[in-house]
Amino acid sequence: DGGITQSPKYLFRKEGQNVTLSCEQNLNHDAMYWYRQDPGQGLRLIYYSQIVNDFQKGDIAEGYSVSREKKESFPLTVTSAQKNPTAFYLCASSIGSEDGYTFGSGTRLTVV
Amino acid sequence: LAKTTQPISMDSYEGQEVNITCSHNNIATNDYITWYQQFPSQGPRFIIQGYKTKVTNEVASLFIPADRKSSTLSLPRVSLSDTAVYYCLVGSGAGSYQLTFGKGTKLSVIP
Repeated sequence: DGGITQSPKYLFRKEGQNVTLSCEQNLNHDAMYWYRQDPGQGLRLIYYSQIVNDFQKGDIAEGYSVSREKKESFPLTVTSAQKNPTAFYLCASSIGSEDGYTFGSGTRLTVV
Repeated sequence: LAKTTQPISMDSYEGQEVNITCSHNNIATNDYITWYQQFPSQGPRFIIQGYKTKVTNEVASLFIPADRKSSTLSLPRVSLSDTAVYYCLVGSGAGSYQLTFGKGTKLSVIP
């Protein structure tokens, strides 16, 4: 079955450490996205990528970095510069900008 | 990007029809209206998308008036499993990759 796989489901990080969240899709979608969700809040866009080797900052890109070396993969690195990284992170993909998004099951990151 | 406004929460009894309305007064000519459903600790799931008039699929209907400044998601005969947060999004066609998810409407279905 086609879909988006995010790993790990739960992740703990010590303050000052970088951590990378994985996102893989086998839907052959061109566009991929990373969102952050805080308790009781909506989703905020961190980064998005329309094609391989290209990505754009979203609304809250500071303290995050991404890469898009393969169509299937869009990993997100939460750097030590992100002051409040504890959140639920969601990866999504779509065929194009006007199509529905398919979301992964999310990674819950906790800073300890 | 068009901003949307929807109720923070709604309650409904099982078996009733639920209508959630979303306002999007500054919707652009080429904007589509899309609704998503999210359960706790899961990613949102696409429900339905429309441009004008009425769209129906196996889970919901979407009503869009002629001026397109609002839309209504209709869920027929809800069950407890429909308890979730529902998001209304408005986004333009080609070139707009920055869809904004607001806080959504938390629907609670009561037995």
